[in-house]
Amino acid sequence: DIQMTQSPSTLSASVGDRVTITCRASQSISNWLAWYQQKPGKAPKLLIYKASSLESGVPSRFSGSGSGTEFTLTISSLQPDDFATYYCQQYNTYSSTFGQGTKLEIK
Amino acid sequence: QAQLVQSGGEVKKPGASVRVSCEASGYSLISYGITWVRQAPGQGLEWMGWISGKNGHTEYAEKVQDRLTMTTDTSTNTAYMELRTLRSDDTAVYYCARASAGFCTNIGCYRLAYNGMDVWGQGTTVIVSS
Repeated sequence: DIQMTQSPSTLSASVGDRVTITCRASQSISNWLAWYQQKPGKAPKLLIYKASSLESGVPSRFSGSGSGTEFTLTISSLQPDDFATYYCQQYNTYSSTFGQGTKLEIK
Repeated sequence: QAQLVQSGGEVKKPGASVRVSCEASGYSLISYGITWVRQAPGQGLEWMGWISGKNGHTEYAEKVQDRLTMTTDTSTNTAYMELRTLRSDDTAVYYCARASAGFCTNIGCYRLAYNGMDVWGQGTTVIVSS
């Protein structure tokens, strides 16, 4: 299985900050990567697919980049609603795996 | 508006089986696949498997493939996930999500979240306890 490693595991930031979360794959996955946001007690929400395609209705302050084994999710200016846990997901083959998650906390 | 509605929570004893349903509305199950994802208490997301809404082809995670069966009923637009021989570490919230495959061959299906998993069920809590 392809392993996905996110960093950091926890990130403390303030409203208005620019933040970046990194996801690394154990082998190349081309651009077959998605990002999700999850709030406590809720289902995940799709933000980005194919590494950099913004899901419809997601604010443009969210952006994704990368290919191969290294990917980033950037939030350009944190809003109060953005404090949540973020997961990357690879789907390059006939299986799929998630990163362990990054919890974005209020500083 | 596309929506997935899951069945209610379950409490099961070790060794039992559980079946969770996921009813699609606002779109036809035939046009998409369904992925099942679970989340143990306080833990991250775990991909369990995917089923084609078109032909019922399945891809399962190695960890659970011996105990897992996914099916669909296109007449009711509903997907099902059955997990057998339950253990305490199967205690989790189980989610279904809409996901299309990139392509399928006679060997299998690939890129199982081609445009991401864009519609999610509300989650079903399964507790395994003696």
